[in-house]
Amino acid sequence: GENVEQHPSTLSVQEGDSAVIKCTYSDSASNYFPWYKQELGKRPQLIIDIRSNVGEKKDQRIAVTLNKTAKHFSLHITETQPEDSAVYFCAALDSGTYKYIFGTGTRLKVLA
Amino acid sequence: DAGITQSPRHKVTETGTPVTLRCHQTENHRYMYWYRQDPGHGLRLIHYSYGVKDTDKGEVSDGYSVSRSKTEDFLLTLESATSSQTSVYFCAISTGQGKGQPQHFGDGTRLSIL
Repeated sequence: GENVEQHPSTLSVQEGDSAVIKCTYSDSASNYFPWYKQELGKRPQLIIDIRSNVGEKKDQRIAVTLNKTAKHFSLHITETQPEDSAVYFCAALDSGTYKYIFGTGTRLKVLA
Repeated sequence: DAGITQSPRHKVTETGTPVTLRCHQTENHRYMYWYRQDPGHGLRLIHYSYGVKDTDKGEVSDGYSVSRSKTEDFLLTLESATSSQTSVYFCAISTGQGKGQPQHFGDGTRLSIL
């Protein structure tokens, strides 16, 4: 089955700088990779996703890149703002089932 | 908002008692999921459902059972709660048809087993 590793576990950046979070997956047949943002005490919320037929996807200050050969995908946040502070989770869809396997999360702190 | 309601939102109970958590959706989606969230472990899948009376196990299913007798409701039961099951439980639905569709989460249930 699918296994997802996420790094780093914590990340501190200055306001205005960029942040990058990386995930690796094990199932080469996986084809869907969502990213979630979770604020303290709240539910995870989908912020962006990418499918295996695309190498990059952008939505304003957020972008996701996918490297199928290396089996990793990354979340890029540019011009970070204090409201970007949260825990971010990556996930991958197991190709043989309808199960989503999540990474263990990255706590991002944006310092003003 | 994907029309997901979890109940109860908070519960405190004692070891050995049965507990049932409910997830209700209003948009007739086929796929529903139960996760638990613990510090350092992220979101771990307990069970999921791909239709009425169709369920399958996730990575941490021991000690949990589920039922889905109606499209809109997915129940998670702890037959005899243990302290290790203290956690935040999230229900999620997968929108759209087929594989690779976005998941949307409910607001969670905070469960404490004393």
